[in-house]
Amino acid sequence: EPEVTQTPSHQVTQMGQEVILRCVPISNHLYFYWYRQILGQKVEFLVSFYNNEISEKSEIFDDQFSVERPDGSNFTLKIRSTKLEDSAMYFCASVTGLTYEQYFGPGTRLTVT
Amino acid sequence: GENVEQHPSTLSVQEGDSAVIKCTYSDSASNYFPWYKQELGKGPQLIIDIRSNVGEKKDQRIAVTLNKTAKHFSLHITETQPEDSAVYFCAAIGNRDDKIIFGKGTRLHILP
Repeated sequence: EPEVTQTPSHQVTQMGQEVILRCVPISNHLYFYWYRQILGQKVEFLVSFYNNEISEKSEIFDDQFSVERPDGSNFTLKIRSTKLEDSAMYFCASVTGLTYEQYFGPGTRLTVT
Repeated sequence: GENVEQHPSTLSVQEGDSAVIKCTYSDSASNYFPWYKQELGKGPQLIIDIRSNVGEKKDQRIAVTLNKTAKHFSLHITETQPEDSAVYFCAAIGNRDDKIIFGKGTRLHILP
């Protein structure tokens, strides 16, 4: 069964450093998303991406964040200068656009020290 | 924007008993209501969903109900088993490509 994959599973970085989180969505899906989950809290929307551009972004997704689909398979989230409060699980999701079901990857745990 | 409220935040039930988790939503334009199960260290997994033109849907031991007038929807798990222990999130979506708005989650404990 096709699935969304994410790498790395765990990333530890120092405050102020740049990180890139990687996702490979399901191959026939057209819409891509990043969500964030701070420990013990609910999953929050960050950004959606379609046709090589951002469709929507939340207030969390400020100038320190960017997304890219550099080739036909990868979808990346970059945080330019990490802050302690960026520590969270980051989930990638994708959907075909013909159905509602969004499928989530296993997540990347980002720890900023 | 849409707001999804979920309760209880924690629920403990004896193995074999039923569990019910309830959610409300605010935006009458929401059309699709998925439920996700999240096990420790994993991503949310879609377990069942319901669309706004349907009042109830069942899949083996899991059922969802939707009251569109009252903007309520619920998850019912019958004959609970130890592997049902997890965090469950309700959610709402407007259109097929919209972002998911999640509830705060319910931690379900199945007691032996």
